[in-house]
Amino acid sequence: DQQVKQNSPSLSVQEGRISILNCDYTNSMFDYFLWYKKYPAEGPTFLISISSIKDKNEDGRFTVFLNKSAKHLSLHIVPSQPGDSAVYFCAASGYSGGGADGLTFGKGTHLIIQP
Amino acid sequence: EAGVAQSPRYKIIEKRQSVAFWCNPISGHATLYWYQQILGQGPKLLIQFQNNGVVDDSQLPKDRFSAERLKGVDSTLKIQPAKLEDSAVYLCASSSWTGNYNEQFFGPGTRLTVL
Repeated sequence: DQQVKQNSPSLSVQEGRISILNCDYTNSMFDYFLWYKKYPAEGPTFLISISSIKDKNEDGRFTVFLNKSAKHLSLHIVPSQPGDSAVYFCAASGYSGGGADGLTFGKGTHLIIQP
Repeated sequence: EAGVAQSPRYKIIEKRQSVAFWCNPISGHATLYWYQQILGQGPKLLIQFQNNGVVDDSQLPKDRFSAERLKGVDSTLKIQPAKLEDSAVYLCASSSWTGNYNEQFFGPGTRLTVL
């Protein structure tokens, strides 16, 4: 049972335009959501996160939106740049009190920025 | 600040053989995680340590996988005996209470191929 779903395996966007990556989750106990970026042969690197008490978080070109009622979040990249080409993972976590929980990841979306 | 170190980077073994992976987390990070990433999937949590104690090992196949974190720093993950379906990238991550909530820093991973 996949608790975090990224339904688009790949996305192609022109350089300079907006990239929108989507993610859905099913577990209501998740209270923190993160986006990671991954290049080939490297580990995932943290990009941006959002707590369940917020509906938007912005960091430079990256903005994450959270719709709790729909159990949906999205990552917006504006403007898209060639270096943004990578696999993007949506991840979610709860807080068990014994330490930060391990993350539950989606399958990833391969973003390709076309020149 | 040095990142999470993992070795070896690549390993090829035959089924039924044993293999071990090593991880050195970021200095001062109390929480350490091992994830398994099968091709085309997102990382899946295998085990989480808080200092040298196990917080969550519910998804660790304990009949063949074992992990330890002696002295609350380095960690090793062992598979004995390996099966074909264990072919994956094994990622180690660490996080700290003083850092961003749930921001986990990942190592480059060990790519295991079981023949």
